[in-house]
Amino acid sequence: DGGITQSPKYLFRKEGQNVTLSCEQNLNHDAMYWYRQDPGQGLRLIYYSQIVNDFQKGDIAEGYSVSREKKESFPLTVTSAQKNPTAFYLCASSTRSGGYNEQFFGPGTRLTVL
Amino acid sequence: QKEVEQNSGPLSVPEGAIASLNCTYSDRGSQSFFWYRQYSGKSPELIMFIYSNGDKEDGRFTAQLNKASQYVSLLIRDSQPSDSATYLCAAVNSGYALNFGKGTSLLVTP
Repeated sequence: DGGITQSPKYLFRKEGQNVTLSCEQNLNHDAMYWYRQDPGQGLRLIYYSQIVNDFQKGDIAEGYSVSREKKESFPLTVTSAQKNPTAFYLCASSTRSGGYNEQFFGPGTRLTVL
Repeated sequence: QKEVEQNSGPLSVPEGAIASLNCTYSDRGSQSFFWYRQYSGKSPELIMFIYSNGDKEDGRFTAQLNKASQYVSLLIRDSQPSDSATYLCAAVNSGYALNFGKGTSLLVTP
């Protein structure tokens, strides 16, 4: 069954902690993306990766870090430097980056700072 | 700033009617456009994409693109209560990621 998985579904973080959100895909997609969604808002791009061992900052990368060591995996770390991390985090993938490839989303991780 | 604008709604239509959702974009370099449906608490689900001027139909859904007016729309025919959701419009240029609008909330009443 092909798709994108994200874990955990819900995550609670204490102030000052780093947490890592998992994203895995078995669609053989080259490009992967991380978005953040706040209530009543559209999705904003955090980081994206077009190929293994390469990634670029999106519009709101401050306080976040990523890695892309395997094609299937693109984990996101929310660091203590992120001032307001409570949000819905969405991972997506596409066959390749660029304007003509539709992106498919995982189920999301809802992060709450206690 | 490259903007994608949508009316937040809610847009309320009776069951069986046509729902019309609209979106404008500011970046003339935008090449392709996507409509996603998002149920409350869930992730976005791709409904339609359109690259060329004109209409594109898929079942009950029709996407319309007018690049001269920088306008994209989504028509939902024979609207059902299960269509009640937030609809997100997104645009991408030759770059890498989707630029999303804030979404329009659709309510289909029985």
